[in-house]
This record gives sequence, C-alpha cells and structure tokens, in this order.
Amino acid sequence: ILNVEQSPQSLHVQEGDSTNFTCSFPSSNFYALHWYRWETAKSPEALFVMTLNGDEKKKGRISATLNTKEGYSYLYIKGSQPEDSATYLCAFGMIPGSARQLTFGSGTQLTVLP
Amino acid sequence: ETGVTQSPTHLIKTRGQQVTLRCSSQSGHNTVSWYQQALGQGPQFIFQYYREEENGRGNFPPRFSGLQFPNYSSELNVNALELDDSALYLCASSLVGTVNTEAFFGQGTRLTVV
Repeated sequence: ILNVEQSPQSLHVQEGDSTNFTCSFPSSNFYALHWYRWETAKSPEALFVMTLNGDEKKKGRISATLNTKEGYSYLYIKGSQPEDSATYLCAFGMIPGSARQLTFGSGTQLTVLP
Repeated sequence: ETGVTQSPTHLIKTRGQQVTLRCSSQSGHNTVSWYQQALGQGPQFIFQYYREEENGRGNFPPRFSGLQFPNYSSELNVNALELDDSALYLCASSLVGTVNTEAFFGQGTRLTVV
C-alpha cells in the first residue's frame, strides 16, 4: 500500500503572508508527482506535474520543488491572497506497468484571512 | 473550468440499490479515470479506461464496474450499494493513460447511501 502524506492538514494565514506545505511519498519506483488546487464546489485544478529530481516549477505566486531521492515535494505560495484559499492535493504516480493510478494525499486546507 | 462534466451532481440511493454515474471527458481525451473520495481522505483510484478497455484497477470490489463509449464519455456503475459507498466520485480525463500526464477533473457526483 502506497503512503502519500501531506502536512499540515490545515493552515490559516493572513493575507500577504507566504506559506508552504509538504508532500511525502515513496522514494522507490517514482515516476511523477502532481499538485492540484481544489476550491470548494469546483473541480480540482492541476497546478504542476513534476517528474525530475530537483525540478522546480512556478506558476505566478505558486511554486513547487521536488526531491525524489528523499521522497518529498514542497509547495510555496508567496504573498497569499484570499483567493488562494483552497485544498491543495498532491498525488504520486509510480513507474508505469500495471499501476496506472495516482495515489493522493489527504490534502492541506489553506484559509487566507483578509 | 476543465471541460469535464459529471452528472448528476448529487444522488441519494438506498442500500442494496444500483447506481450509474456519468462523465463527459474533455474533447480529444481518450483516457478516463474514476476516483472515490470519502470524507476526510484523498481521492482513491477505482479504475481507468483507455479506448473503451479497462486499463488498470485499484482496490475496489467487482461490484464497481465501468464503461467507456466511442465518444470517450464514460459511466461508473455500482451494484448492491453499501452505506460505505457514500462519497464524492470524481472522474478525470487525460490525453494518455500514463501518470506523468496532467489529469482534468470534473466537479464530482456526491452519492449518499441510506
């Protein structure tokens, strides 16, 4: 059974604060790591798909790093805004074979207070 | 939004009944995956369909079955519903079935079994 863990479970920050959260995943048989943002009553929206150790990706104020050897990824939000309030999910993908699924963590729920 | 639509949005069924959930994939996507999200957990992989064939399955019993149609829309069928089947069901479409490909999610169907 694959274990993907996210921390913290929830987070409240003030508008303008920068924040980060962690996704831990198995370091063996790594193939891809996804980050999704999921706002209430909407669809999960893909932020990043990362495949290479040391990868860093950025989209606006949001960035992510990847360490496949130690099995973790960080998501950073610079200057948080109320519209960043959402649940952030990471998902681990194994080396293709019979396993084609993404294994998700339970998410980090971010609330940005104005 | 992602272009992936699911119907219905909410559904209440009685234990022992059967249910069919529907998903319309994003245009051009030939792969669809279905996930179950129970309260407080991340989405769990049910199965994936690629070009109308099941292409991978998670740890779900055979009473969870699916279909994919030539237009790449799909169905998730659950027989003999149990109380524990109450969850949010998400479908995700992608261009190919590998885990390094971005997945586009629908908004989900909330199933309540009473």
